[in-house]
Amino acid sequence: NAGVTQTPKFRVLKTGQSMTLLCAQDMNHEYMYWYRQDPGMGLRLIHYSVGEGTTAKGEVPDGYNVSRLKKQNFLLGLESAAPSQTSVYFCASSLYGGEYQPQHFGDGTRLSIL
Amino acid sequence: KNQVEQSPQSLIILEGKNCTLQCNYTVSPFSNLRWYKQDTGRGPVSLTIMTFSENTKSNRRYTATLDADTKQSSLHITASQLSDSASYICVVSAGFNKFYFGSGTKLNVKP
Repeated sequence: NAGVTQTPKFRVLKTGQSMTLLCAQDMNHEYMYWYRQDPGMGLRLIHYSVGEGTTAKGEVPDGYNVSRLKKQNFLLGLESAAPSQTSVYFCASSLYGGEYQPQHFGDGTRLSIL
Repeated sequence: KNQVEQSPQSLIILEGKNCTLQCNYTVSPFSNLRWYKQDTGRGPVSLTIMTFSENTKSNRRYTATLDADTKQSSLHITASQLSDSASYICVVSAGFNKFYFGSGTKLNVKP
């Protein structure tokens, strides 16, 4: 049982390049989330999804897009990468809306934008 | 403003000693409070979830307390082990998909 798997684990991009981060979960969870973690700050929510085919904006959505075509996958896209998007990106999932459900996190994607 | 403040920012203790980490919050409305452990280079892992009516919750050597009146929580680690070296993150939920994360306390347990 892999839990939440993120690919790639590391990536270096040049400003203006695009890329997609993949998150896959095998726990049949309905809810999935994308966060970014920056030094000295708490995790910040970028986008989330409450089920297959749905997405919603979080606290810091600008510059990112997401898609949830399959229940088990949640993709995060950067259309035109900027140095301010250098961060560690975490995907998480939970069984339901999260009020009393723990979030299960992947091990992160470390992204550097030069 | 909804905020979660954790103290200390970092802590060094000797193996076998106890320690207590603090979390103060100003989040409203309050749904529940969570503690996560994040090992270096890994994602956070849930330790406890406490609702308004719960004062204490334990998970092995980890004991979390919650005072909803003063909006404070603590995480007590008993008989620390080297494997306890990690960042501990306090998260307060204000309801449906509304989570406020603290910046964490980095604990270093030395032999």
